[in-house]
Amino acid sequence: AQSVTQLDSHVSVSEGTPVLLRCNYSSSYSPSLFWYVQHPNKGLQLLLKYTSAATLVKGINGFEAEFKKSETSFHLTKPSAHMSDAAEYFCVVSAPVLTGGGNKLTFGTGTQLKVEL
Amino acid sequence: DAGITQSPRHKVTETGTPVTLRCHQTENHRYMYWYRQDPGHGLRLIHYSYGVKDTDKGEVSDGYSVSRSKTEDFLLTLESATSSQTSVYFCAISESDVSNQPQHFGDGTRLSIL
Repeated sequence: AQSVTQLDSHVSVSEGTPVLLRCNYSSSYSPSLFWYVQHPNKGLQLLLKYTSAATLVKGINGFEAEFKKSETSFHLTKPSAHMSDAAEYFCVVSAPVLTGGGNKLTFGTGTQLKVEL
Repeated sequence: DAGITQSPRHKVTETGTPVTLRCHQTENHRYMYWYRQDPGHGLRLIHYSYGVKDTDKGEVSDGYSVSRSKTEDFLLTLESATSSQTSVYFCAISESDVSNQPQHFGDGTRLSIL
């Protein structure tokens, strides 16, 4: 079984300040973890993925995430927020458990990031 | 961006009518998925396909059926739409079943059932 908990449903920051979006997970497997971003009326875009090669993962648009096994966390950070970062962010865990193949993604409930001037 | 097209992008229909949503991909990926997105739930898997004519149920499959007659097309059908199926529907594709391979998403279909 697997689950994802995003600890904040809404986060508000000022432009130019750091961003921290928190995610805890549980998985029966060695986890593959992702962060996706969703802008209004758009699909989900992959920000970054953790696949056990390195615990600090760099993604697009200056985002990065650190995998901490002891804390079962995969928090997303960015040093300096930009107005264009305002969106909803989803933490996702993947497991190869579907009949016939394919991966089951389990989504967190999302964190809405607001960036203020 | 992955070549995924969902149609229609918006639809309003009445309870009891059949509805078909289409997902078309140009990536030749083997795996295709249908999700629904509802507030407070993230995305939940409805059905998925692991090849032409090979499909299986996800966690919220009641009231939905799917078909895949060609690699590039994956159809989601609501046989008799109900108001509880008002949602935003997303199609996703992936190249392999390795768990570290991400899924890529279309832009969604917003479906309202009155």
